[in-house]
Amino acid sequence: QQQVKQSPQSLIVQKGGISIINCAYENTAFDYFPWYQQFPGKGPALLIAIRPDVSEKKEGRFTISFNKSAKQFSLHIMDSQPGDSATYFCAAGITSGGYQKVTFGIGTKLQVIP
Amino acid sequence: EAQVTQNPRYLITVTGKKLTVTCSQNMNHEYMSWYRQDPGLGLRQIYYSMNVEVTDKGDVPEGYKVSRKEKRNFPLILESPSPNQTSLYFCASRATPGTGRYEQYFGPGTRLTVT
Repeated sequence: QQQVKQSPQSLIVQKGGISIINCAYENTAFDYFPWYQQFPGKGPALLIAIRPDVSEKKEGRFTISFNKSAKQFSLHIMDSQPGDSATYFCAAGITSGGYQKVTFGIGTKLQVIP
Repeated sequence: EAQVTQNPRYLITVTGKKLTVTCSQNMNHEYMSWYRQDPGLGLRQIYYSMNVEVTDKGDVPEGYKVSRKEKRNFPLILESPSPNQTSLYFCASRATPGTGRYEQYFGPGTRLTVT
């Protein structure tokens, strides 16, 4: 059973456009929502993260929108560039017993075309 | 440079031949994890370790073993690999809870093929 549902699995966006990736979760105990970016041949790297007490977080061209009541969160990439072409993973974390368990979505392969 | 290293990066082996994938981090992190990445399934946690000599199962532990004898090292052991363990494997480490830093640092990955 997928605890974090991510869509779409692949996305093609024109340079300068907005890329939007959506995620949904069921477990209301999740208290941390990171997004990871993975380039081919590399390991994932943290891009941006949000906690459920905040509805939006922006870092440069990347914005997380968080809707607690709908149990959904999304990543928006403004002015998308070819260098943004990568696989993006949303995730949700629960802190329990001093350890944070993180569950990942299936990933979205983004291609930004010139 | 702060990093997580894995070896080997690529490995082709045959069914049943024991193998070990090494993982090492130089950030003095207490927490380390192993994940496998498969198309359409994302990243799934295999095992994790909260500290030296403390390990526990993740979501897909069957067929794998781990050990944590030193803080910096967290090897993944496949005692009898099978073709369904063909995958891309990532080791990750994380800072101690209470520091406010929850970022996981991932290694470069090990692509394993079991024939």
